[in-house]
Amino acid sequence: DVKVTQSSRYLVKRTGEKVFLECVQDMDHENMFWYRQDPGLGLRLIYFSYDVKMKEKGDIPEGYSVSREKKERFSLILESASTNQTSMYLCASSKQVGGQYFGPGTRLTVT
Amino acid sequence: GESVGLHLPTLSVQEGDNSIINCAYSNSASDYFIWYKQESGKGPQFIIDIRSNMDKRQGQRVTVLLNKTVKHLSLQIAATQPGDSAVYFCAENPNRDDKIIFGKGTRLHILP
Repeated sequence: DVKVTQSSRYLVKRTGEKVFLECVQDMDHENMFWYRQDPGLGLRLIYFSYDVKMKEKGDIPEGYSVSREKKERFSLILESASTNQTSMYLCASSKQVGGQYFGPGTRLTVT
Repeated sequence: GESVGLHLPTLSVQEGDNSIINCAYSNSASDYFIWYKQESGKGPQFIIDIRSNMDKRQGQRVTVLLNKTVKHLSLQIAATQPGDSAVYFCAENPNRDDKIIFGKGTRLHILP
C-alpha cells in the first residue's frame, strides 16, 4: 500500500514564525503535491513537484515555498506565518498521470 | 469531528441501502477521473478511478459510472454501512499532465 506521512498532525505557531511541514512517501512516486483545505473552498493546490529539485507553482503559492532535495521528501515552508495561513495542509504523491495518494494532513493554527 | 466543507451537498441514506453520489465535470478533454473519500479529520483516500475509454468500473462494493456525453460521473456504494459516512470528492485530469482538479464534495450521511 502507498504510504504518505506528514511530520505533524497538529501544529500551533505564532505570527511571523518560520514553519516547516514535511512530507515523505514510500512508493517511489515522481510527483508530489501540497494542498490546503479550508471549509467552503475545497482543496487548493499550493505547489507541486515532478522531480527532485523541480517545483511548480499551483493556484495559491503566495506566502509559501517548497523544497524537494530527495525523491521521497517534499517540504512546505511558510517563511513568515500569518493568521490567514491557518488551515489543514495535505500532501499527496502520484506516479506520472495517476491518482494522487494523500497523507493524513497537518492542522496548522497560527495565532 | 472537523468539517471539511461548510454548505456541502448532503446525501442521507438508510444503512443497508445503496448510495449514489453524482458529480458533473467541466472539461470534455478530461480523460481520467477519480473518486476520493474523506473522513472527518483525515486526508482524502483514493477509492476508485476510471479512464475515459471506459464507461463503468467496479471495485469492492463500489462502482463508478462515466457518461462522457453529458460530462457526468457517479459513484455507487452498495449496502451502505456506517463506516461509509464521509465526504466524497470526484476529481478529473483535464490536461494530460499530473495535476487534477477536485470537486467540492458531497457529504454522505448514514441513517440508522
